[in-house]
Amino acid sequence: DTGVSQDPRHKITKRGQNVTFRCDPISEHNRLYWYRQTLGQGPEFLTYFQNEAQLEKSRLLSDRFSAERPKGSFSTLEIQRTEQGDSAMYLCASSEDSGNTGELFFGEGSRLTVL
Amino acid sequence: AQSVTQLDSQVPVFEEAPVELRCNYSSSVSVYLFWYVQYPNQGLQLLLKYLSGSTLVESINGFEAEFNKSQTSFHLRKPSVHISDTAEYFCAATPRSGYSTLTFGKGTMLLVSP
Repeated sequence: DTGVSQDPRHKITKRGQNVTFRCDPISEHNRLYWYRQTLGQGPEFLTYFQNEAQLEKSRLLSDRFSAERPKGSFSTLEIQRTEQGDSAMYLCASSEDSGNTGELFFGEGSRLTVL
Repeated sequence: AQSVTQLDSQVPVFEEAPVELRCNYSSSVSVYLFWYVQYPNQGLQLLLKYLSGSTLVESINGFEAEFNKSQTSFHLRKPSVHISDTAEYFCAATPRSGYSTLTFGKGTMLLVSP
């Protein structure tokens, strides 16, 4: 396993369309996170899974956003009815279950451009 | 809740010069502190972290950071930078107790020129 992988790396879509991003974490990691990063900002937390359970969601995650991790392995992040303000880099990270001290391993991100 | 402030969005330096990237945090509870680095076209990766014990922590590539509780700071330093250190550096914090995700600063772009 070479690390966290994300697909697609770049998505260009028109406003109002739906998009889905996929994240494959490091195989032995049971925690998975989604972050969003916009230009000039650090990563902002969106949501977090422990195995298949979604344990926390940020207020940034509006009703148009949904994330799943159906079998506790890969995860998907879907954005419905995209808006220009959704343009950002969407980062996925995974970690072992080691409390707050553990290292997060990040993928290279999926860049979304909404026209 | 905690917040992390990185005062400099960009720090240009010449190769072999020393550098300090500043990070201050604000939190009502004790926190763990981290520095992550993002090289061009790569994902973020952990550089170093402070959990407990010695307030000075080091990375394998010559960076060090010192936890200063009274100043609520965790500045990152390197005595002599290389071109390959050019990257964006993010300071992050998370509470020691309970579970919470990392809160990141806005990042500092370190630009090393010959």
